[in-house]
Amino acid sequence: QKEVEQDPGPLSVPEGAIVSLNCTYSNSAFQYFMWYRQYSRKGPELLMYTYSSGNKEDGRFTAQVDKSSKYISLFIRDSQPSDSATYLCAMSLNTGGFKTIFGAGTRLFVKA
Amino acid sequence: GAGVSQSPRYKVAKRGQDVALRCDPISGHVSLFWYQQALGQGPEFLTYFQNEAQLDKSGLPSDRFFAERPEGSVSTLKIQRTQQEDSAVYLCASSQVVGAGGDDYGYTFGSGTRLTVV
Repeated sequence: QKEVEQDPGPLSVPEGAIVSLNCTYSNSAFQYFMWYRQYSRKGPELLMYTYSSGNKEDGRFTAQVDKSSKYISLFIRDSQPSDSATYLCAMSLNTGGFKTIFGAGTRLFVKA
Repeated sequence: GAGVSQSPRYKVAKRGQDVALRCDPISGHVSLFWYQQALGQGPEFLTYFQNEAQLDKSGLPSDRFFAERPEGSVSTLKIQRTQQEDSAVYLCASSQVVGAGGDDYGYTFGSGTRLTVV
């Protein structure tokens, strides 16, 4: 079993829809939770970062972390065709090191 | 530079050939990482440098993989005697953060080098 599980999709939604992406994980020691967006043939870019449990909002994006359930989510409101990309959840430990564990990524298509 | 630069963007190698992949991190970033991304998968950690010191190489899949960052800036990932299973995108990332924490936690990735071993 992988440390981080993420449904690869693809997920196809109409423009303007609310998108919900999520990941589950097994290591309760993870403290830092991130969402990256990756366009085709590009490197991932950081979208959201959250430390420990709770919610964080940035424009149309909201990240949620539920450590008791080992479950994290990313919500995208008013989705746009330009949001079409692969979304990767990622997480890392609190102590030392920088090894970040990524999910496999969910491919999202937003149809105009 | 403005971002993380990787070269070459594409590399085709014959099985058994040695390859060298280059990463130019963002100027002043002390932390540098190499990740391997197979098709349809998320990036997998290979190795981490803090300045010139390689502090974690636990992700390197075999002794055919070697990375260096001799002057604490440019880094090279070398793969000896390439095999077909080495075919992947190799991503380099840098970060100004030395210790974990802070709202700027996260990497800046380059666009990667796509290695195809035939």
